[in-house]
Amino acid sequence: DAKTTQPNSMESNEEEPVHLPCNHSTISGTDYIHWYRQLPSQGPEYVIHGLTSNVNNRMASLAIAEDRKSSTLILHRATLRDAAVYYCILRPFQGAQKLVFGQGTRLTINP
Amino acid sequence: DTAVSQTPKYLVTQMGNDKSIKCEQNLGHDTMYWYKQDSKKFLKIMFSYNNKELIINETVPNRFSPKSPDKAHLNLHINSLELGDSAVYFCASSQGRHPYFGPGTRLLVL
Repeated sequence: DAKTTQPNSMESNEEEPVHLPCNHSTISGTDYIHWYRQLPSQGPEYVIHGLTSNVNNRMASLAIAEDRKSSTLILHRATLRDAAVYYCILRPFQGAQKLVFGQGTRLTINP
Repeated sequence: DTAVSQTPKYLVTQMGNDKSIKCEQNLGHDTMYWYKQDSKKFLKIMFSYNNKELIINETVPNRFSPKSPDKAHLNLHINSLELGDSAVYFCASSQGRHPYFGPGTRLLVL
């Protein structure tokens, strides 16, 4: 399973943008980049995913480097409810349908 | 309506006991999973079932036995509980790419 590297923790202020980085230098051509988050005392939830192009949805944006060796999850206006552990996961297009979680980034939002 | 539900939410038991955790999904998904989150907060897959058939079985002790009576249910039975089994167990289901996770069952073995 391809490995990802994320900062252990980050802090931001409410209503400001947050950029969560992820390095995945060993990504293969068929790996999708997925982001999940885990709110306190809850199960993980899907946030966004992409392959090569930048992606936007109602929760966040995903910016993928041209060489695909890194990506950034962008929360445009953080709220207190965005405080969670964010996981960047590489998932092959085919193969075992499982998520391999790393340690993630614990995001703290200050009021 | 809860998409993926687990019972019980909390489970405190003595070492050596046998216990079960139940999971139900009302999403019509074909695939269900069990994940374990240990005290260091690492989430690891344990099992995956597709249409009641076991398709993923990570290196989990034989004391753990999943059972899928139908597509909507995946239960986890644990024999001879050990202290190291204390963790949060998450059930999930998917149809395609993105699993939906349940709220977790917090198991404490004393």
